[in-house]
This record gives sequence, structure tokens and C-alpha cells, in this order.
Amino acid sequence: AQKVTQAQTEISVVEKEDVTLDCVYETRDTTYYLFWYKQPPSGELVFLIRRNSFDEQNEISGRYSWNFQKSTSSFNFTITASQVVDSAVYFCAPSPFNDYKLSFGAGTTVTVRA
Amino acid sequence: DVKVTQSSRYLVKRTGEKVFLECVQDMDHENMFWYRQDPGLGLRLIYFSYDVKMKEKGDIPEGYSVSREKKERFSLILESASTNQTSMYLCASSLGRKNTEAFFGQGTRLTVV
Repeated sequence: AQKVTQAQTEISVVEKEDVTLDCVYETRDTTYYLFWYKQPPSGELVFLIRRNSFDEQNEISGRYSWNFQKSTSSFNFTITASQVVDSAVYFCAPSPFNDYKLSFGAGTTVTVRA
Repeated sequence: DVKVTQSSRYLVKRTGEKVFLECVQDMDHENMFWYRQDPGLGLRLIYFSYDVKMKEKGDIPEGYSVSREKKERFSLILESASTNQTSMYLCASSLGRKNTEAFFGQGTRLTVV
């Protein structure tokens, strides 16, 4: 069975601090995709990034960066120099290779205080 | 921009009522999804449709059915609403390619009393 775990329930930081979110996807599959979504207080989920399990290269896009450790099936997502507008619930959502569907973790609530 | 529109933001229904939640997307997406979101559980897939008149059960289909008569519209039906179906319901759509991102509507908060 596949299982996605976001162990951090809530994270609270002061503006300009970095925030790192953890996601572990337990699966026997060696190839899969992982998506990150943001859900601000307005409620609508916003797509942030898609990564695949066969590319371990870390990436940076603006204030977002992420890295994947294949040995532990761990995807970390970092927001650098956080801002109040980053306050939201963040979900990781894995998708088995060649599948249409996404599964979602329980989410991590990030609160950025001014 | 992709637009996924859910017909109601808030709904209050009585136990035993038949409830229809409507979702429309305007980007000609092949795939459409219904999820429910509950605190501490994340989003759970109820039903999925990959084409008109095609549907596939998700992880928690019990007590629900769906209808997709047109490509742009995907309806979730609660045949006989119960209090344990009080939740946030989210509709999403995506292109027909596999492993592609889904785009979500604003959600319908359903309360069954």
C-alpha cells in the first residue's frame, strides 16, 4: 500500500525566516511524481510544483526550492525569506507513474507572522 | 487561466435529502475529480472521470454517485445525505495526459443537519 506523510501539522515563523516542509511517500514503485499545492485562507488549491522520482537534482524557482532524497522517499519544500502572504496550508500529493490521480497528505499549516 | 467553478460556496441540507453538487470547467479538460477535505485527513478522492459518461471510484465512494453527461460538467450526488457527509467538497480538472497537474475549484462547504 502507498502512504503519504506530512509529519508537520503546523509551522509558525516570523517574516523573512525560511520554512521547510517535509513529505515522505512510502511506495514500492520506483517511478512516480510528486506535486505541491498551496491552499490560502480563501480555500482554492493552487498548484506550485511537480517533480518526478527519477530526477534527484534540486531546483530553485524564485523563493521556492525543493530537494528529493530517493533513499528515504523524502521530498522537502523550502520557502526562503517567508512573507505573510505565504500563510496557507501546503499539501504534497504523489501520483503513481502513468496515472491520472493524485493522493494528498494531511497538509501542513504555515503561519507567517509580521 | 483555467477556471473550475463550483455552483455553490455554502450549502445546508437536511438528513435524507438528495443533494447535487455541480462543477463546470472551461478549459476542455478530459479528466475531472471530486474530493472531500476534512481536518487532519487532507483530501480524499471520491470519484474520477476521464471522459464523458466514464467514471471510476476513488478511495471513498460509498454514499456518493456522479454524473458526467457533458465534457465540461461533473456532478456529485449524495443520494441520501447524512451528517457524516458534512465536509468541504472540492472539484478539480486536468488534461488527459497522465501525471499532470489538476486545477481546483473554490470548494463547496456542505453542512448536513
